[in-house]
Amino acid sequence: KAGVTQTPRYLIKTRGQQVTLSCSPISGHRSVSWYQQTPGQGLQFLFEYFSETQRNKGNFPGRFSGRQFSNSRSEMNVSTLELGDSALYLCASSYDSGGTEAFFGQGTRLTVV
Amino acid sequence: DQQVKQNSPSLSVQEGRISILNCDYTNSMFDYFLWYKKYPAEGPTFLISISSIKDKNEDGRFTVFLNKSAKHLSLHIVPSQPGDSAVYFCAALSGNTPLVFGKGTRLSVIA
Repeated sequence: KAGVTQTPRYLIKTRGQQVTLSCSPISGHRSVSWYQQTPGQGLQFLFEYFSETQRNKGNFPGRFSGRQFSNSRSEMNVSTLELGDSALYLCASSYDSGGTEAFFGQGTRLTVV
Repeated sequence: DQQVKQNSPSLSVQEGRISILNCDYTNSMFDYFLWYKKYPAEGPTFLISISSIKDKNEDGRFTVFLNKSAKHLSLHIVPSQPGDSAVYFCAALSGNTPLVFGKGTRLSVIA
């Protein structure tokens, strides 16, 4: 069974640009969560989507947004990029919302210059 | 306010010895706890979990202990192997809330 797929794996953007990251969950999983990982802050929750609806949202500014499609694939978008947005963005899929076993993708490493 | 805390950013252990990674939490509503292992350039992988109705869960070399009164859990790895060298994240959840992660502990197992 295929795992969680995130694209692209690496991305370099300049300040002020916007970026869209994609996540394809494990087949049959309905919940997709996004996390930001930085060296100093560890894994911080961005938002969770379940059956195309945002279920939970973390403490990130409105520049961070996401959506989920009917096939459970999810995208997150960051507008007006700042240097501090440089991080590893991880997507996790689980069968249910708040799933007790979340499976992570390899992440997208975003560098903002 | 950090609800899940891993106070040791790093830990070094000799091969064959026991590794003990600690995690404290503040939210008494948490009822399920997980440990994830992360290698560089990879996403975290699920290691072991424990429900709040238990105080111990074992899976091979990995054992997680939960002390609800102290709001503390620990992961024991016995015996430690060089391949265990990674960053370990403690995570907690309650109901349908998302996973809340600690900042991680980097374990180095020295041969």
